[in-house]
Amino acid sequence: SQTIHQWPATLVQPVGSPLSLECTVEGTSNPNLYWYRQAAGRGLQLLFYSVGIGQISSEVPQNLSASRPQDRQFILSSKKLLLSDSGFYLCALTPGTGNEKLFFGSGTQLSVL
Amino acid sequence: GESVGLHLPTLSVQEGDNSIINCAYSNSASDYFIWYKQESGKGPQFIIDIRSNMDKRQGQRVTVLLNKTVKHLSLQIAATQPGDSAVYFCAEEADSSYKLIFGSGTRLLVRP
Repeated sequence: SQTIHQWPATLVQPVGSPLSLECTVEGTSNPNLYWYRQAAGRGLQLLFYSVGIGQISSEVPQNLSASRPQDRQFILSSKKLLLSDSGFYLCALTPGTGNEKLFFGSGTQLSVL
Repeated sequence: GESVGLHLPTLSVQEGDNSIINCAYSNSASDYFIWYKQESGKGPQFIIDIRSNMDKRQGQRVTVLLNKTVKHLSLQIAATQPGDSAVYFCAEEADSSYKLIFGSGTRLLVRP
């Protein structure tokens, strides 16, 4: 079965600093990959999704970007963090075999101070 | 636009009772729905799913009901246990796009 690795689990960054969150997956090939953000006590907002290497779709205009340099690697980045970028960031996948079930990683809690 | 929302932000039930968590959706073209459970500080976990060609699906202690006429989805948990305490999210898939739209969540509290 597929496994999603996200790190770090928690991160505290100053305003204006860069960001790089990495997500790697195992146990599946050609997955669809997603980045979601969850504000405290709120639902999940889709930020980016990717159906293949180098293919990124952005769902909302924002201060963040995503890249997929390898089939099983998905990176979330920012050049300059804002206070509003704080939140719980979740990487997720669908196996891409017609199975639409979304599997989530363990998340990264980002605090921008 | 598409939206998925929940009627009750917090639900408190007695241990052993049945729980019902409700969800409304607005996109009549959605054909796939999922319930997730999220414990504090963790990623959401899949509970159960249902397609629009069904109106009921059962799992272990959980049942999902879909009423397409009123665009309503519910999750029933039988014999609720303390370990069921979590936030529950419903989600719908928009137009087979592999993009799930999530509701805002309902917190389930189980009283001992």
